[in-house]
Amino acid sequence: EDQVTQSPEALRLQEGESSSLNCSYTVSGLRGLFWYRQDPGKGPEFLFTLYSAGEEKEKERLKATLTKKESFLHITAPKPEDSATYLCAVQAGNDYKLSFGAGTTVTVRA
Amino acid sequence: DTGVSQDPRHKITKRGQNVTFRCDPISEHNRLYWYRQTLGQGPEFLTYFQNEAQLEKSRLLSDRFSAERPKGSFSTLEIQRTEQGDSAMYLCASSLGFSNQPQHFGDGTRLSIL
Repeated sequence: EDQVTQSPEALRLQEGESSSLNCSYTVSGLRGLFWYRQDPGKGPEFLFTLYSAGEEKEKERLKATLTKKESFLHITAPKPEDSATYLCAVQAGNDYKLSFGAGTTVTVRA
Repeated sequence: DTGVSQDPRHKITKRGQNVTFRCDPISEHNRLYWYRQTLGQGPEFLTYFQNEAQLEKSRLLSDRFSAERPKGSFSTLEIQRTEQGDSAMYLCASSLGFSNQPQHFGDGTRLSIL
């Protein structure tokens, strides 16, 4: 069974204080690792897909990287509007479903 | 912006009642997924459709749950004889039919069982 573990559970940052979120996974035949952002009361919003170890994707202050066992989401010089829960999910084998981690809730204080 | 649309956004019902939720996917997407999310957890897969065919169902989907996607467009998720444990956010997502395509989510239906 696919396992996805995210750490830390919560992260409180000062505006401008860069940090990283971790997503560790155990799957058989990774087809894709997905990062989503979720605001309270909303559905997850797609950020990135990573397909193979060594791949990197960037969007504004966010950068996602992938190794064979984990992915990192780096937040550079965060702003209060980056406050959200960040979810990591994997798609593996012949499945089309996503298996999600529990998320990291990021709070950025001005 | 024609994203994934879910209706209703909130549903409050008494234990034992039946409820039905609707999802309208992004128009060109032929895959449609249902997930359930409880507080502090990530979404959990329930079932998915390719066009009108239901191709996979999770063990989480008990006999009280049924999903349909007539004509391969919108989908409905029905819960019969609701229980306290059914209280959750029910999320719908859709994607193109190619491998590794990202799933795009609606804002969900929050179900509360009294």
